[in-house]
Amino acid sequence: EVQLVESGGGLVQPGGSLRLSCAASGFTFSSYWMSWVRQAPGKGLEWVANIKQDGSEKYYVDSVKGRFTISRDNAKNSLYLQMNSLRAEDTAVYYCARVVVVAATPRSYYYYMDVWGKGTTVTVSS
Amino acid sequence: EIVLTQSPGTLSLSPGERATLSCRASQSVSSSYLAWYQQKPGQAPRLLIYGASSRATGIPDRFSGSGSGTDFTLTISRLEPEDFAVYYCQQYGSSSWTFGQGTKVEIK
Repeated sequence: EVQLVESGGGLVQPGGSLRLSCAASGFTFSSYWMSWVRQAPGKGLEWVANIKQDGSEKYYVDSVKGRFTISRDNAKNSLYLQMNSLRAEDTAVYYCARVVVVAATPRSYYYYMDVWGKGTTVTVSS
Repeated sequence: EIVLTQSPGTLSLSPGERATLSCRASQSVSSSYLAWYQQKPGQAPRLLIYGASSRATGIPDRFSGSGSGTDFTLTISRLEPEDFAVYYCQQYGSSSWTFGQGTKVEIK
């Protein structure tokens, strides 16, 4: 069964750090881009970061640049999100998601997130 | 950055009725980059539609997607009790993703 399981969430004070993990199983982890997406309480979905299959490309939403770092360990089938200088507005459920990039036509690609974990909750509060 | 605006914010319908959800982009989006997700309370999002109109694996054919350019639509032909949820459109562009703010489909 294809599965993603997040862990590492919790309560942290403003300015603190937290490292989230996402354990993948049931598929060839090293073949996929991966993403983190978050959802603040009662709010919509917000993409946070992407990482390429070999970790050579990483992209972030502007609000976390310089504070969050996405990484992966393909040998351990794991995705990570190191979060530093946390703010109250970072409070959210954090989901990891598998990204599919497949050819739609000879000149275009489909991009979408087809497998999601159940999420881990991060609360930033004093 | 492309902004996706979904309408209406809330749709109040009865089981068996047709639901039509709109997603409008601030600039043209490639159809192959447009997806729709369903989210129920306390659950992770679930992929429904990718490439604007292709149903994901296991998605019932009462769900359909259409549109191009800046206007996209998700249609649920006949609402089942399990379809009452929040729906998000999403687009990929410039190595990043944006989501619409969501449309809640609630029981009337």
